[in-house]
Amino acid sequence: AQSVTQLGSHVSVSEGALVLLRCNYSSSVPPYLFWYVQYPNQGLQLLLKYTSAATLVKGINGFEAEFKKSETSFHLTKPSAHMSDAAEYFCAVSEEAAGNKLTFGGGTRVLVKP
Amino acid sequence: EPEVTQTPSHQVTQMGQEVILRCVPISNHLYFYWYRQILGQKVEFLVSFYNNEISEKSEIFDDQFSVERPDGSNFTLKIRSTKLEDSAMYFCASSERGRPSPLHFGNGTRLTVT
Repeated sequence: AQSVTQLGSHVSVSEGALVLLRCNYSSSVPPYLFWYVQYPNQGLQLLLKYTSAATLVKGINGFEAEFKKSETSFHLTKPSAHMSDAAEYFCAVSEEAAGNKLTFGGGTRVLVKP
Repeated sequence: EPEVTQTPSHQVTQMGQEVILRCVPISNHLYFYWYRQILGQKVEFLVSFYNNEISEKSEIFDDQFSVERPDGSNFTLKIRSTKLEDSAMYFCASSERGRPSPLHFGNGTRLTVT
C-alpha cells in the first residue's frame, strides 16, 4: 500500500528565504508524485508532478521538486519565499495498482514572515 | 482556465438527514472523484467514477454514500443518513484521463452535521 509522510505540519520562513518542504513516500512500484497547494478558502491546486521523466521537476510559482528514488523522497523547494506563498502544501502519490487514486500526506502549512 | 465548481460551499444538516453535494467537473474530463478532509486530518479518497460507474471506492464509502452523474455535466455525492462523523470538507475532482493525468479539484463543500 502506498503512503506519504510530510515532515513538519508547520513551517515558518522569512520573506526571501529558502522554502523546503519534505515529503517521503512508500510505494511498492514506481510512483507518480504530486505537490498540491491550498490557499485559504480554496481547493487544491496542482503545483507540479513527477511521472517518471526528469527527476527534477519544475512547477508553477517558482517551485521545484526532486525525485530521489534511493531516499524515497520528493522534497519541494523554492529559492526565495514570497508573502503570497503562505498556504498549505500537500504531497501525494499514486501508483499503477491504485488507478488514479491519490494518497495524500498530512500537509504542511507555510507561514511567511516579512 | 476551466475549473471544477462545487455547490454549496457550506452545508449544515441535522444528523439522519440526507444531503447531496454537487459538482460540475471540467467539461472534457472523463474521470471523476470525491475526497474528503475531516478537520485536522489528511485528505482521504472516497470514490472514483468513470464511464458511468464506480471504478474504485475506499472503505469509507459505505452503503450510506452514493454517486451519480445525472446528466452530462453534474456529478453528485449523496449521503443518505448523515452522522456527526461525516462532518468534513468534501472535495470533488476530475481528470482528463486515468493515471498519471493530474486531478483538478474544486473549492470544496464544508459539511457540518449537528
